[in-house]
Amino acid sequence: AQSVSQHNHHVILSEAASLELGCNYSYGGTVNLFWYVQYPGQHLQLLLKYFSGDPLVKGIKGFEAEFIKSKFSFNLRKPSVQWSDTAEYFCAVTRGAAGNKLTFGGGTRVLVKP
Amino acid sequence: GAGVSQSPSNKVTEKGKDVELRCDPISGHTALYWYRQSLGQGLEFLIYFQGNSAPDKSGLPSDRFSAERTGGSVSTLTIQRTQQEDSAVYLCASSLWANTEAFFGQGTRLTVV
Repeated sequence: AQSVSQHNHHVILSEAASLELGCNYSYGGTVNLFWYVQYPGQHLQLLLKYFSGDPLVKGIKGFEAEFIKSKFSFNLRKPSVQWSDTAEYFCAVTRGAAGNKLTFGGGTRVLVKP
Repeated sequence: GAGVSQSPSNKVTEKGKDVELRCDPISGHTALYWYRQSLGQGLEFLIYFQGNSAPDKSGLPSDRFSAERTGGSVSTLTIQRTQQEDSAVYLCASSLWANTEAFFGQGTRLTVV
């Protein structure tokens, strides 16, 4: 079965610190990878996505993620966080070129202290 | 509308009653998803519709849950004989095709008392 794991459930850090959130998936074939963010009181929105090509993907608000196929990973990074990055972050995967259901990891709650 | 619309935004129901949750996806989107988000939990996949294909119902937690998508557009999630453990936020999302960005609605907060 396809699964997505986010190892950090809660992260607390100070402004200007660097952030890295881990995401691993279990499927060995072609995958399409996403990071979504849910700010307090808001709906989920897309941060970035990877389908093919350059494994280093840049998204909105200074976020980037790196696809490492050999490690089945798609970790999210931001060099310097702001208080406004306080949110819950979800990694998600679809499988295969034709696509199928979007499977989410358990989420990571990030609290940035001012 | 411009985005995914869900109604009602909040629903309080008595245990044992049936509820219907509605999702209006973005016009032209062929894929539609339902998820459940419980307090402190991630997004639990419920059901996925893609075009005219048979829906992927593998995430429905019991036979009390069902969903349909009429005319390839509006979808209704029905929960029969609600239980307290059904209390959660039910999220709907749509995407143009499978593998493209999914756009989420604001969700329906269901409380079973």
